[in-house]
Amino acid sequence: DTAVSQTPKYLVTQMGNDKSIKCEQNLGHDTMYWYKQDSKKFLKIMFSYNNKELIINETVPNRFSPKSPDKAHLNLHINSLELGDSAVYFCASHRGGQTEKLFFGSGTQLSVL
Amino acid sequence: SQKIEQNSEALNIQEGKTATLTCNYTNYSPAYLQWYRQDPGRGPVFLLLIRENEKEKRKERLKVTFDTTLKQSLFHITASQPADSATYLCAPSPGAGSYQLTFGKGTKLSVIP
Repeated sequence: DTAVSQTPKYLVTQMGNDKSIKCEQNLGHDTMYWYKQDSKKFLKIMFSYNNKELIINETVPNRFSPKSPDKAHLNLHINSLELGDSAVYFCASHRGGQTEKLFFGSGTQLSVL
Repeated sequence: SQKIEQNSEALNIQEGKTATLTCNYTNYSPAYLQWYRQDPGRGPVFLLLIRENEKEKRKERLKVTFDTTLKQSLFHITASQPADSATYLCAPSPGAGSYQLTFGKGTKLSVIP
């Protein structure tokens, strides 16, 4: 069983559309994240949720809205997609606590045309 | 502002040699530092964690050092193999209940047979 799974793997869409990426973890972890990896491979944190509560919200356009229906799921909805949103988006989780390693999903490659 | 630098974007090394990757950080006092491996099209995978009071950590052919005076961590792969070819990311963390793990841009290691 995949520990952190995200869907879809690839997402190709037109500018201006709204899309969602889903993430689920079956590790029983309390904390989940969204990271964005741009074309230069720089992995940047976007959001973090701990037990369904938003705890980190980096400088991200408000077109991006995370939703955590329960602590095993963290979805990312993006409104009015722009060319600059093209990137690979990674979901990650950890058990909680400062020394915990992150478990990453395999990524969603978003291409905005 | 906090800054993480990994010595080079790319490092080529002959099979069997020791690969040494560098991670420097500024405006940071991390309580611990993690190293991850990322293969193309995959999410990062945790390798090792070293705490500020540890000088060195080993796992099989991997060795990590952490010098809080120099603000530097070194990541060594001994007897390198082509299968070690990947991008390696360092991630210092403030600890103390921080949920924010910030990554360096990574070093792409190529081990040449």
